[in-house]
Amino acid sequence: ILNVEQSPQSLHVQEGDSTNFTCSFPSSNFYALHWYRWETAKSPEALFVMTLNGDEKKKGRISATLNTKEGYSYLYIKGSQPEDSATYLCASITGAQKLVFGQGTRLTINP
Amino acid sequence: EPEVTQTPSHQVTQMGQEVILRCVPISNHLYFYWYRQILGQKVEFLVSFYNNEISEKSEIFDDQFSVERPDGSNFTLKIRSTKLEDSAMYFCASRDRDLATNEKLFFGSGTQLSVL
Repeated sequence: ILNVEQSPQSLHVQEGDSTNFTCSFPSSNFYALHWYRWETAKSPEALFVMTLNGDEKKKGRISATLNTKEGYSYLYIKGSQPEDSATYLCASITGAQKLVFGQGTRLTINP
Repeated sequence: EPEVTQTPSHQVTQMGQEVILRCVPISNHLYFYWYRQILGQKVEFLVSFYNNEISEKSEIFDDQFSVERPDGSNFTLKIRSTKLEDSAMYFCASRDRDLATNEKLFFGSGTQLSVL
């Protein structure tokens, strides 16, 4: 059974501050890790697909790291803006070729 | 950018009724998926579909559920006799390649199903 966990479940951050949150996943049979941003009433949108241990990806002010040996990934947001408010989902793929999601981190940026 | 579209955005139905949730995947995509999220819970995999057949399904996807790609553009999820616990946000997703190629999934904006 693959269990993907995210923490914290919700987070309030002041505009301009930087923040990060965690996704943990079983390290055995790891294949890939996905990060998605899901804004209310919109489609979940892919941020990153990560596969290699030590991988670090960046998209604007958002970056992510991956540790496949210990089974965790961090998502970082630098200089938070109101438009960063969303639920951030991570999902892991095992050899079963399906995405298994964590419960998400709901981020609110306070102006 | 091309997008996955889902209709309707909201569906209210009575328990025991049949519902069909519709999705139009991105046109050159070959792999199709349904996921759902019950309020307060994780997004759950339901089924994947490729080459006109189910490639994988979860234990949630029992005989009450079926999927179809009737005309080469639509991808539908049918629930034959809805239960209260089927109330959830249902997401369709598609890809042009197998998950093994490490490409992202493209999601629709979901259909909120409420079973009364």
